[in-house]
Amino acid sequence: DVKVTQSSRYLVKRTGEKVFLECVQDMDHENMFWYRQDPGLGLRLIYFSYDVKMKEKGDIPEGYSVSREKKERFSLILESASTNQTSMYLCASSLGLPEAFFGQGTRLTVV
Amino acid sequence: DQQVKQNSPSLSVQEGRISILNCDYTNSMFDYFLWYKKYPAEGPTFLISISSIKDKNEDGRFTVFLNKSAKHLSLHIVPSQPGDSAVYFCAASLGEGAQKLVFGQGTRLTINP
Repeated sequence: DVKVTQSSRYLVKRTGEKVFLECVQDMDHENMFWYRQDPGLGLRLIYFSYDVKMKEKGDIPEGYSVSREKKERFSLILESASTNQTSMYLCASSLGLPEAFFGQGTRLTVV
Repeated sequence: DQQVKQNSPSLSVQEGRISILNCDYTNSMFDYFLWYKKYPAEGPTFLISISSIKDKNEDGRFTVFLNKSAKHLSLHIVPSQPGDSAVYFCAASLGEGAQKLVFGQGTRLTINP
């Protein structure tokens, strides 16, 4: 089974802090994604990466950056956390097919 | 600009009956569609997909129907079971080789005993 693991299930951070969300997949997938899920808005794509050191902006990249130094790891960075970034963050990976495999999610609260 | 829309935030169905979840899309370039299921505190899991060259795809109790002219798809679950209670997301992509998925807002399905 494909496993996508997010480093934290729950995080509480202060406004202005730099926040790192880590994601690791064990199936050698080229593509990795970061989404956020908010009530009434569904899942919205923040950034995705189709290869090591390659990244593309999704639909809502403002306030975020990403890093992919190794194929299996994709990090989402909130440079200066704000309360409107309180959300559920979901990492996913795929082999190039639309079917993506998701991690369990990180519930981030910015206070 | 919501390109994939699920207009029903919630749906309640009796166990054993049919559940029908609906999804509309606006971008006529989408030609591959998927349904995901999400339990609380878990990530979404892939359920079923359909290519635009088909109008129906079936997998056990789950059937997805696609009406391209109406830009509408639906997921039928028959018979509904308590374990089907979850949030269901419709998603679309620009073909099987496309990398990005565009998701709808989700519909919370509750199966009542």
